[in-house]
Amino acid sequence: EPEVTQTPSHQVTQMGQEVILRCVPISNHLYFYWYRQILGQKVEFLVSFYNNEISEKSEIFDDQFSVERPDGSNFTLKIRSTKLEDSAMYFCASRGGLAGGHEQFFGPGTRLTVL
Amino acid sequence: GQQLNQSPQSMFIQEGEDVSMNCTSSSIFNTWLWYKQDPGEGPVLLIALYKAGELTSNGRLTAQFGITRKDSFLNISASIPSDVGIYFCAGRRGTSYGKLTFGQGTILTVHP
Repeated sequence: EPEVTQTPSHQVTQMGQEVILRCVPISNHLYFYWYRQILGQKVEFLVSFYNNEISEKSEIFDDQFSVERPDGSNFTLKIRSTKLEDSAMYFCASRGGLAGGHEQFFGPGTRLTVL
Repeated sequence: GQQLNQSPQSMFIQEGEDVSMNCTSSSIFNTWLWYKQDPGEGPVLLIALYKAGELTSNGRLTAQFGITRKDSFLNISASIPSDVGIYFCAGRRGTSYGKLTFGQGTILTVHP
């Protein structure tokens, strides 16, 4: 069964450093998302992406964040200068078009730890 | 912002018991979803509800989309140890490809 994959599973970084979290969405899916989950809290929406541009973003997704689909398979989230409060699980999700399934399928997540 | 209030926060039950959890909102949602999250994993979709009043089953799981479109419940019958995990409700407004708003989660513990 096709699935969303994410790398790395765990990323440790120093405050102020740049990180790139990578995702491979399900093949033939058209809509892509990033969510985050701070330890012990609910899952929060960050950004959605369709047709090579951002469709919607939350207040959390400020100028320090960016997303990119550099090729036909990867979808990345970049945090330019990490802060302590960026420590969280980051989940990528993808959704098909009308013929590709209605709902968002989530990857296993990347645990980001900012020291 | 949009808030989903999920209850209970946690449940401790014996194997074989039935479980019920619910989500409420002050806002209308067009779609209600229920996800399960195991430790260290991403949310896995259990049930999706698209119409007010809809009642949908998936094995031992049953979920309903409230008639007001502001609430949903999930029932698990005859719980088993592998039901352990965190259950999240999620709602979506607007377009079918829009963002999901998640509840705070219900932590389910099943004692054998």
